[in-house]
Amino acid sequence: NFMLTQPHSVSESPGKTITISCSRSSGIIANHYVHWYRQRPGSAPASVIFENNQRPSGVPDRFSGSIDSSSNSASLTISGLKTEDEADYYCQSYDSSNHYVFGSGTKVTVL
Amino acid sequence: QVHLVESGGGVVQPGRSLRLSCAASGFTFSSYGIYWVRQAPGKGLEWVAVIWYHGTIKYYSDFVKGRFTISRDNSKNTVYLQMNSLRAEDTAVYHCARGASPSVDLDYWGHGTLVSVSS
Repeated sequence: NFMLTQPHSVSESPGKTITISCSRSSGIIANHYVHWYRQRPGSAPASVIFENNQRPSGVPDRFSGSIDSSSNSASLTISGLKTEDEADYYCQSYDSSNHYVFGSGTKVTVL
Repeated sequence: QVHLVESGGGVVQPGRSLRLSCAASGFTFSSYGIYWVRQAPGKGLEWVAVIWYHGTIKYYSDFVKGRFTISRDNSKNTVYLQMNSLRAEDTAVYHCARGASPSVDLDYWGHGTLVSVSS
């Protein structure tokens, strides 16, 4: 099985831009979609990016996703940071052995 | 409106069993896979198991394989997670979530049910 490694935490001021990385330990990142979830305290996770770079309806275009084959990683970028963006963020992907893996999670703090 | 509601959690001693349920509404149940994802206190998300469409295809994480069994009853729009030989490390909030196919995201989640394994 593979692992998805994220930074433990990211902090930034309102209005700024942050990028959360998600590095895949084995297997090719581009071979399976990467999805991103936001989890606010006390709430269930909710999808903010699906299929690498698609936004569900209702998610603002301040959220964007990408993959980088050279580093075998995915990224979630949040621009124009707002206090409501404070949450834990998880990447998730899949492999051909039918295992579903979540990233280690990143706590986003808006200073 | 899509709803997923978990039930069946509680406090149980190590080695004992518990069965969780996930009741779904608001969508064509048999057209979706249903996942169980757990979150230990203060920890991240961990995939547990998934069951597809009519129930013949199921997959488990290595942590629970051989101890947990996932099943579904499409006539009741419900998925079950039978958890046997429970361990302290199984303590977590267990969420169910739906996905349309293996490669897509989990677009709706339940709020979860807490399982606490303690003597």
